Amino acid sequence: GDSVTQMEGPVTLSEEAFLTINCTYTATGYPSLFWYVQYPGEGLQLLLKATKADDKGSNKGFEATYRKETTSFHLEKGSVQVSDSAVYFCALKMSLGNEKLTFGTGTRLTIIP
Amino acid sequence: GAGVSQTPSNKVTEKGKYVELRCDPISGHTALYWYRQSLGQGPEFLIYFQGTGAADDSGLPNDRFFAVRPEGSVSTLKIQRTERGDSAVYLCASSLGRAKGTDTQYFGPGTRLTVL
Repeated sequence: GDSVTQMEGPVTLSEEAFLTINCTYTATGYPSLFWYVQYPGEGLQLLLKATKADDKGSNKGFEATYRKETTSFHLEKGSVQVSDSAVYFCALKMSLGNEKLTFGTGTRLTIIP
Repeated sequence: GAGVSQTPSNKVTEKGKYVELRCDPISGHTALYWYRQSLGQGPEFLIYFQGTGAADDSGLPNDRFFAVRPEGSVSTLKIQRTERGDSAVYLCASSLGRAKGTDTQYFGPGTRLTVL
């Protein structure tokens, strides 16, 4: 079945460091890809998404590019802040006829001042 | 505007009891989803409603779990004869639905269920 594999955490970085969280997927079709973020004490929020190959999703300084050839959707940010501390989930969704999201296990990110 | 709301925020029950978890979607959203998130894991799909009908219930783990959405808005997830393994955070999400051509799901804060 469809699945998402995420870089295991936890990840601890210093403020202003470069961030990469790896995400790869397995799917029988052609999915849309998402990054969701869960800040402490809050619900899941959509961070960014991409719906076709070579699309780049971006938001709040985060970016991820849909790479069909490597089945990847790695999350990057050039300079992280303490406020970026959260749990990040990579997810996929197949065609409009199949609406469920399939999530990875999540990566906990902690940024140290 | 108001987001997805879920009640209660926390529910503690004893093994074997019946529980109901409620979800109020964003106004105008025709699609509603239930997920379950166990500790240290990502959310797992349970069921998806389009309007009043369950379009996909393939994620419900067994017949102790049931969900309804009688008027196409509020949904209730019902768990009979609860087991300790049912302890998790139950998440609800809503979206505009296929007819609107968008696929962004907006999540509620979740209900943390603890079965003693």
